[in-house]
Amino acid sequence: QVQLVQFGAEVKKPGASVKVSCKASGYTFTSYYLHWVRQAPGQGLEWMGRINPYDGSTSYAQKFQGRIAMTRDTSTSTVHMDLSSLRSEDTAVYYCARGYRDSYYGMDVWGQGTTVTVSS
Amino acid sequence: DIQMTQSPSSLSASVGDRVTITCRASQSISDYLNWYQQKPGKAPKLLIYAASSLQSGVPSRFSGSGSGTDFTLTISSLQPDGFATYSCQQTYSSPWTFGQGTKVEIK
Repeated sequence: QVQLVQFGAEVKKPGASVKVSCKASGYTFTSYYLHWVRQAPGQGLEWMGRINPYDGSTSYAQKFQGRIAMTRDTSTSTVHMDLSSLRSEDTAVYYCARGYRDSYYGMDVWGQGTTVTVSS
Repeated sequence: DIQMTQSPSSLSASVGDRVTITCRASQSISDYLNWYQQKPGKAPKLLIYAASSLQSGVPSRFSGSGSGTDFTLTISSLQPDGFATYSCQQTYSSPWTFGQGTKVEIK
């Protein structure tokens, strides 16, 4: 079946970087965009950006420009999201989610989330 | 950025009640509006896309309407598994933005 699997949890110190991964299966990896959405404790959802696994092109929310990078590995159908210069406000659950080339259709498949805790 | 404002922030309802949640965009987004359901500790689930299209596998008691700046999610008869948080999302322009969520609690 179509699924996105995310791995583990991370604890990082302020100023460090984190790499969160998301492995896709059950569909053609290069045919759908993959988005990253985060949710801080008790807060709403926040879209961070997306990658097109077909060509690796990316689009990031301005808020994260300069400290975010999304990459993909087509050999393993995995996307990665690197976030640098971490601060306490980056403590959140990070989700990957599948989307369509046409943004009309929303994000229909989600990973289970990766908890990232930033603490000294 | 386009701001999405949901109302109410929370509501209490009973099983069988009709529930209506509204979402307002700070500028016109045509019908690039999606609705998600989220339960504690779980990932969001897509319910409605393109303002009024029911995602495959979602019960027909969920419906969406609206266009431009004002949108509505309606649950025709609230079931026990409907107690959750509902969020709207615009995908009209980047950055995609979400409403703050509406928590539906048991009365």
